[in-house]
Amino acid sequence: SQTIHQWPATLVQPVGSPLSLECTVEGTSNPNLYWYRQAAGRGLQLLFYSVGIGQISSEVPQNLSASRPQDRQFILSSKKLLLSDSGFYLCAGDGGVTEKLFFGSGTQLSVL
Amino acid sequence: GQQLNQSPQSMFIQEGEDVSMNCTSSSIFNTWLWYKQDPGEGPVLLIALYKAGELTSNGRLTAQFGITRKDSFLNISASIPSDVGIYFCAGRPNAGNMLTFGGGTRLMVKP
Repeated sequence: SQTIHQWPATLVQPVGSPLSLECTVEGTSNPNLYWYRQAAGRGLQLLFYSVGIGQISSEVPQNLSASRPQDRQFILSSKKLLLSDSGFYLCAGDGGVTEKLFFGSGTQLSVL
Repeated sequence: GQQLNQSPQSMFIQEGEDVSMNCTSSSIFNTWLWYKQDPGEGPVLLIALYKAGELTSNGRLTAQFGITRKDSFLNISASIPSDVGIYFCAGRPNAGNMLTFGGGTRLMVKP
């Protein structure tokens, strides 16, 4: 089965600083990859998804961007963080006949 | 687009009690997935359902794919403190479509 690696686990950044969160996938090739954001105790908000290298779809307009430079690598970025970018960010991937979605362990981002 | 209504939003129960939660959709889904999220962690897949009427168990957890294809249910028997967390349902209308997630059910268990 596939494994989603996501780091760092926690991150504290000042307002206006850049952001780069990385996610890599093991155990499958050509997965669909996703970035979700979750406010404390709330549901999952889909931010971006990618069906292949260089292919990014954005679900909500925002201060963030995503890139997929390699088949199993998905990156979430920002040039200048806002306070409202704080939250729990989850990378996820699916692929294969069962199409189950697997999540990484998440990054807790605090923008101060 | 599709929306999933998950209920209840939260539950506070006594250890040993059984738990039931459900998700309903305005449209038909052909796959239902149930996840559990521990605090500070990513959601973990509990049960996957692929056929209408299917009933699948994973330990004390049992999930059902509704006959109408518009709903799914998750039951937890004899709850224990480690059952605490947020449970999410997710549905997919067809293979290749993205998953739609419910809003989650926060479960709290009193020892």
